[in-house]
Amino acid sequence: DTAVSQTPKYLVTQMGNDKSIKCEQNLGHDTMYWYKQDSKKFLKIMFSYNNKELIINETVPNRFSPKSPDKAHLNLHINSLELGDSAVYFCASSQGLAGGVGNEQFFGPGTRLTVL
Amino acid sequence: DQQVKQNSPSLSVQEGRISILNCDYTNSMFDYFLWYKKYPAEGPTFLISISSIKDKNEDGRFTVFLNKSAKHLSLHIVPSQPGDSAVYFCAARRSGTYKYIFGTGTRLKVLA
Repeated sequence: DTAVSQTPKYLVTQMGNDKSIKCEQNLGHDTMYWYKQDSKKFLKIMFSYNNKELIINETVPNRFSPKSPDKAHLNLHINSLELGDSAVYFCASSQGLAGGVGNEQFFGPGTRLTVL
Repeated sequence: DQQVKQNSPSLSVQEGRISILNCDYTNSMFDYFLWYKKYPAEGPTFLISISSIKDKNEDGRFTVFLNKSAKHLSLHIVPSQPGDSAVYFCAARRSGTYKYIFGTGTRLKVLA
């Protein structure tokens, strides 16, 4: 029974398209995150939601929009995809805001996005 | 601006020996550090953490050491096992924030 799941696992699409990646966690956590791992393997936070409220919004193009319909879900919509958006996107969740023993982040398996 | 650096992209160790993975950081405001392990096609999984008020934290075969003056932390795995073969990321959090900065990872290969 997967704790943090993401769909799809792989996504290949053309430049200019709009796509969504879905994330669900069944851990009862109240905080969820999106990370991007680029070709240089840097894992960088993009967004964080706590109790459906946006609390971290890094310098990310506004083509990227997170949506949290409830505490268990955090979806990522990407408009007008560009070549540079190709990366692995990881969703994560934690109980409370990350940090400290007991509220470490649990990661999903990642979604590999390839923009052609 | 790479505030968290893992300068060794890979490391090979014989089974049963000690694995030492290193991580350096530049921001003296970092107050909490974590290590994650990542297998291929999976997300990172939490391994061990350490607060800046400590210099050592141990959990079974895994020990993390923090040297604040050198802005350096290391993860020791003793004894190393083939199942430990994975990519290890260190991450650091700046005091007063909820954001973690990750290193680029070190690929550990434990040879049987």
